[in-house]
Amino acid sequence: GAGVSQSPRYKVAKRGQDVALRCDPISGHVSLFWYQQALGQGPEFLTYFQNEAQLDKSGLPSDRFFAERPEGSVSTLKIQRTQQEDSAVYLCASSSDRVPNEKLFFGSGTQLSVL
Amino acid sequence: AQKITQTQPGMFVQEKEAVTLDCTYDTSDPSYGLFWYKQPSSGEMIFLIYQGSYDQQNATEGRYSLNFQKARKSANLVISASQLGDSAMYFCAMRPTDSWGKLQFGAGTQVVVTP
Repeated sequence: GAGVSQSPRYKVAKRGQDVALRCDPISGHVSLFWYQQALGQGPEFLTYFQNEAQLDKSGLPSDRFFAERPEGSVSTLKIQRTQQEDSAVYLCASSSDRVPNEKLFFGSGTQLSVL
Repeated sequence: AQKITQTQPGMFVQEKEAVTLDCTYDTSDPSYGLFWYKQPSSGEMIFLIYQGSYDQQNATEGRYSLNFQKARKSANLVISASQLGDSAMYFCAMRPTDSWGKLQFGAGTQVVVTP
């Protein structure tokens, strides 16, 4: 596609529910990133894939958070047993090459509200 | 650990004027990359400009320029001839060389351009 696509755009969940957030990167981009952005703050790194390999998941806040990219394209971020502190915008980004000045292309995010 | 500081939570600027957004960083890495992103109300993060720590010249991209002072660990963004469409949140970010996938963002500066 023309850009990074994320769905749903908005998600409301009751506390304790599981949610799945989808990211469609730009076609051909090998690297994919997930970030979490709390209200009024900058994005915080969650995890990073190169193709289907998850190379860094150090930012995942707990074992309730799980990300996958089984075929090296679409990625899903899953949050189990959601808590109110999980409310945030979840941003996905992709990039085409692993060079120092390579910019990330971001999607518009999924705004998750946990009630 | 790296840290990005943006001390200006918000700024008003008149159309056609220039504005400088401050960013300081703290790192012990000898090599790193610095980025500025714009986030309009739509939520998508838009890449503006990149500066490598070993680049001899300050980066420029159209109306955007980066005032890079390595000894002071500052990377201020200058927007010349502001336009109404420049109203957005602006984030400074750093990429350490050894954690390529992990951009660290500041808290952002809200810019409002007035007619």
